[in-house]
Amino acid sequence: GAGVSQSPRYKVAKRGQDVALRCDPISGHVSLFWYQQALGQGPEFLTYFQNEAQLDKSGLPSDRFFAERPEGSVSTLKIQRTQQEDSAVYLCASSPMAPSTDTQYFGPGTRLTVL
Amino acid sequence: SQKIEQNSEALNIQEGKTATLTCNYTNYSPAYLQWYRQDPGRGPVFLLLIRENEKEKRKERLKVTFDTTLKQSLFHITASQPADSATYLCALDVWNRDDKIIFGKGTRLHILP
Repeated sequence: GAGVSQSPRYKVAKRGQDVALRCDPISGHVSLFWYQQALGQGPEFLTYFQNEAQLDKSGLPSDRFFAERPEGSVSTLKIQRTQQEDSAVYLCASSPMAPSTDTQYFGPGTRLTVL
Repeated sequence: SQKIEQNSEALNIQEGKTATLTCNYTNYSPAYLQWYRQDPGRGPVFLLLIRENEKEKRKERLKVTFDTTLKQSLFHITASQPADSATYLCALDVWNRDDKIIFGKGTRLHILP
C-alpha cells in the first residue's frame, strides 16, 4: 500500500524566499508529525496534528515556520523568508492512533537548501 | 531536559558477528523506548519498541534490552549482514506526554563483508 509521501523531494531556495513543503500521510492516519533533521543529527520535533487540530507547535524554531492540516489529511509546512540555517531535511510522519507514538511511519523527507 | 546519547557515531562490524548499539538517557526514565533504522536519503523505519516494564524484546535477528537502573538500552543485531548497514536511531517518549518522542543522533553501522 501507499506510504507517506512528501513533495518536493528537493527544494533549493534563495535566502528570503518563502517555501511550502507538502506531506501526504497514510490514508486514515489520525496523527501527523513534522520533524527537522540536520546533517548527522537525529530528527527534531517541530509540530504535531491530531486530525486537523495542531496540538503542539513547541518545536517550530521561529514564527517564520507555519504548519497546517485543514482537512485532517494532507499537511503543509510553510517557511517564510528562508534563512541559511533552515537548510535541513524536513520529515513528515503519520500514525494511525491518537494520541500515540507507538509506530510512526515516515516519509522520505524534503531536502531544503537555502542559498 | 532529557538527553539521549548513542554510543558512537560509527561502528564497523565484521559480517556474521553480533552488532551491539547503545542508547543512554540522562534524566527521567521513559515509558517506552524505540529503535528506528534510517538509510541515506530515506525516512526512519520503525523496528522495535520496548516498554519500561519489559527487560528484553526480540524480532527475528534483532534484540533490544532496557535497563532503567543503568538508564540504557542495548540494540543487538545477530548474524549481521552487509544489508544491515544503516544508521540506527534511538527514540524515547517525552515524560508525561504520549504524543511526542525525541531522537538520539544515531549510530552509523557498517557491516564489513
